Amino acid sequence: NAGVMQNPRHLVRRRGQEARLRCSPMKGHSHVYWYRQLPEEGLKFMVYLQKENIIDESGMPKERFSAEFPKEGPSILRIQQVVRGDSAAYFCASSPPNFYEQYFGPGTRLTVT
Amino acid sequence: QKEVEQDPGPLSVPEGAIVSLNCTYSNSAFQYFMWYRQYSRKGPELLMYTYSSGNKEDGRFTAQVDKSSKYISLFIRDSQPSDSATYLCAMSDLGASKIIFGSGTRLSIRP
Repeated sequence: NAGVMQNPRHLVRRRGQEARLRCSPMKGHSHVYWYRQLPEEGLKFMVYLQKENIIDESGMPKERFSAEFPKEGPSILRIQQVVRGDSAAYFCASSPPNFYEQYFGPGTRLTVT
Repeated sequence: QKEVEQDPGPLSVPEGAIVSLNCTYSNSAFQYFMWYRQYSRKGPELLMYTYSSGNKEDGRFTAQVDKSSKYISLFIRDSQPSDSATYLCAMSDLGASKIIFGSGTRLSIRP
């Protein structure tokens, strides 16, 4: 049973470009969560999605960030016009209906130059 | 004040020692308590989760929750060098859809 998959693992973008991060949940999981981790800091919740629905986006910055989880295909976290402060590790997690049992992917490390 | 406080360490102990990792929290509504292990440059790995107060044991790991003190602990018995990692506590309240994480404690087990 494959775990949560994320790609790319590393992403380098120049300031002003767009970053697209992908997440495929574990088989049988329909709940997806995105987190951001800055160096030496814990994980910060960004958004919780189910298929075709955003359930909770209270942790998402109001501008430039968006997320989707379409009926078919992976969940996408999109960051427009990236700035240096967006450099971080972005983790995706998935869960069965009990949200507290979240399983994480390996993360995408975004570097903005 | 952060909702979840965790000593960042680093904590260094000799192989075979019992390790105690702790977190405090301020939100009395938290009901679910989790511990994750994160190796360097990897994703967090769920170790254990508990609901409400009490103890839960899984192999060398024991999780304790004291809701009256708003204090949770993870004990690692017979610690191994392979246990060297950052340990993150996490918690949530009933009906919530998101987990609040502590900032993590870096643990090093000396051979």
